[in-house]
Amino acid sequence: DAGVIQSPRHEVTEMGQEVTLRCKPISGHDYLFWYRQTMMRGLELLIYFNNNVPIDDSGMPEDRFSAKMPNASFSTLKIQPSEPRDSAVYFCASSFTQGFSNYGYTFGSGTRLTVV
Amino acid sequence: AQSVTQPDIHITVSEGASLELRCNYSYGATPYLFWYVQSPGQGLQLLLKYFSGDTLVQGIKGFEAEFKRSQSSFNLRKPSVHWSDAAEYFCAVAPNSGGYQKVTFGTGTKLQVIP
Repeated sequence: DAGVIQSPRHEVTEMGQEVTLRCKPISGHDYLFWYRQTMMRGLELLIYFNNNVPIDDSGMPEDRFSAKMPNASFSTLKIQPSEPRDSAVYFCASSFTQGFSNYGYTFGSGTRLTVV
Repeated sequence: AQSVTQPDIHITVSEGASLELRCNYSYGATPYLFWYVQSPGQGLQLLLKYFSGDTLVQGIKGFEAEFKRSQSSFNLRKPSVHWSDAAEYFCAVAPNSGGYQKVTFGTGTKLQVIP
């Protein structure tokens, strides 16, 4: 299993530009999460999906952020327009939950976003 | 709502020494508990998890953790630390109430290993 795959690994963009981050979860996992990690705020849950349906997007900072999961093997997080304060490492994670068992998350390697 | 506290932001240990990282949680019942490790430039990797049963949980890389209900703690231990263990460690908690429940992560403890 290749694990959770994120692309790109690094992204440098100018303020005002659109940025799209991509994630391929582990096959068979029914939950997908987008997190943002910064020194100041630590790990923040932005949004999560269950069976491709967005369940909770209360962590999305503002309307400039949007996320989609068109199928079980692909998700995107888009920032438009980007701002310097969006600079962070963005992680995608997936998990498999069955009954009363939470099997823990598998994280991707992250996308380090720098907005200049 | 649940919460998790990792009181140590940074810990330094000598290679070969024992390690204990502290984690305290707040939740009304017995939660799911996890420890993750993050190496520089990498995502978080699950070390071990506690659901129920035996309160001493064995994980990967020689780590173990003990759930102590009376102390609301889930401390991570390793008897002999290796230089490759230098990383950041996150404790996490989720309600044990069926299906998916939101996982709350601690703020992390950064481990430095000196020769």
